[in-house]
Amino acid sequence: GAGVSQTPSNKVTEKGKYVELRCDPISGHTALYWYRQSLGQGPEFLIYFQGTGAADDSGLPNDRFFAVRPEGSVSTLKIQRTERGDSAVYLCASSQVNTGELFFGEGSRLTVL
Amino acid sequence: GNSVTQMEGPVTLSEEAFLTINCTYTATGYPSLFWYVQYPGEGLQLLLKATKADDKGSNKGFEATYRKETTSFHLEKGSVQVSDSAVYFCALSLIQGAQKLVFGQGTRLTINP
Repeated sequence: GAGVSQTPSNKVTEKGKYVELRCDPISGHTALYWYRQSLGQGPEFLIYFQGTGAADDSGLPNDRFFAVRPEGSVSTLKIQRTERGDSAVYLCASSQVNTGELFFGEGSRLTVL
Repeated sequence: GNSVTQMEGPVTLSEEAFLTINCTYTATGYPSLFWYVQYPGEGLQLLLKATKADDKGSNKGFEATYRKETTSFHLEKGSVQVSDSAVYFCALSLIQGAQKLVFGQGTRLTINP
C-alpha cells in the first residue's frame, strides 16, 4: 500500500502475556519511529531506527519493551510481561531522512486486561 | 526539559468562524515546530511546520508563526469548515533530520454547520 501499515489494529491481551506489534513503513523510507499515545495525551517517542539499527531508544520505558528492524523495512515492537499500564495506542511512523515530515500509520490499540 | 502546552479542548465552532488554537513550548535549544492533524479514522499527518524564528508555516488555509520571544506557535484559520473537524497536535523537534517529536496533548476541534 501507499501508506504506513500497522497490524493488528486492535489487540486485547491479559496481564503478563507477550505481545508483538508490526509496522510496515512506506517503501523507500529509511527512518522508522515508534510512539505511544495514551488516552487524552499526545504521542510519546519510544524508539527511532535509521536503517536496521536503533539510532535512539531513549523513550523505551523499561526493558520489557524491545523493537527490531532486521532488514531495514518492517519493524516489530515487542512487549514482554504486559501490564495494564501498557494499554495505549502504539503509533508507527516513517520518513525520508531530512525531509522534516513523518508519515504515521493508524496505530495499534493495545488493551491489557 | 522540552515540552509543549496546548490550549485545552474540546473546541466547538460554527462554520466560517475564526479559529485560534494556542501552543507554547519550552525547549533547551532552538526547535523546529510543527502542527499535526488527525482526522477521524486516519493517522496523524503533518499540517504545517516552521524551522526558525519568525517563519510562517501555512497549508490548507491554516497558518502558524514561530514566535521565539513568546515561545509560541499558535494555529489560526480565518474561516473554518466542517471538514476541519479533527484533533490537532502541536509538536517540537530539536534534532534536525530526525523527527524525535515532543507533542502537546492535542486539541479536539468540532465544526458545526
